[in-house]
Amino acid sequence: SQTIHQWPATLVQPVGSPLSLECTVEGTSNPNLYWYRQAAGRGLQLLFYSVGIGQISSEVPQNLSASRPQDRQFILSSKKLLLSDSGFYLCAWSGIPGGNSGNTIYFGEGSWLTVV
Amino acid sequence: GQNIDQPTEMTATEGAIVQINCTYQTSGFNGLFWYQQHAGEAPTFLSYNVLDGLEEKGRFSSFLSRSKGYSYLLLKELQMKDSASYLCAVRDSNYQLIWGAGTKLIIKP
Repeated sequence: SQTIHQWPATLVQPVGSPLSLECTVEGTSNPNLYWYRQAAGRGLQLLFYSVGIGQISSEVPQNLSASRPQDRQFILSSKKLLLSDSGFYLCAWSGIPGGNSGNTIYFGEGSWLTVV
Repeated sequence: GQNIDQPTEMTATEGAIVQINCTYQTSGFNGLFWYQQHAGEAPTFLSYNVLDGLEEKGRFSSFLSRSKGYSYLLLKELQMKDSASYLCAVRDSNYQLIWGAGTKLIIKP
């Protein structure tokens, strides 16, 4: 069965510091990968998605970036965090569009980021 | 623009039935999803509808009417652990997921 893990689970970072959140998927190959952000009491905001190694699409202009160095690894980074970057970050994966699973998205455990 | 509407908050009683509605306006349609999200946790997949009608999974059922751009999630025999937010999401013609803001369901004894 497929599993997805992301870490760290929680972190408190000062303004201007760098960020690295990592996500890995197991039990599947060539997944679509996603980074979402969820502000307190708000809906899910898609930040980045990737359909393959080195292929990253950005949905929202910001000071965050994403990379996919391996097929099942997805990394969210920032060189200098802003206060507004605080939130709940979720990594997710899905299968091939039109596949039997209906392209369902499955989420990792989430990472709580507080920028102080 | 693309839009998903669902009530912000609902309250129901333990043991009762509750229906959470979702209406959508999207560029094309390739399926509708319901997720459950407990406070402080990641969303978990509940159901998927791509054809009109009712899909039943135990105490949870999801209904879809594509002509009306409408879905609902029906929860029966409510339990305290069902207190959570319920997210509706639609996959559009580009296979992108459009998310609703979620409905916070409060279960009272």
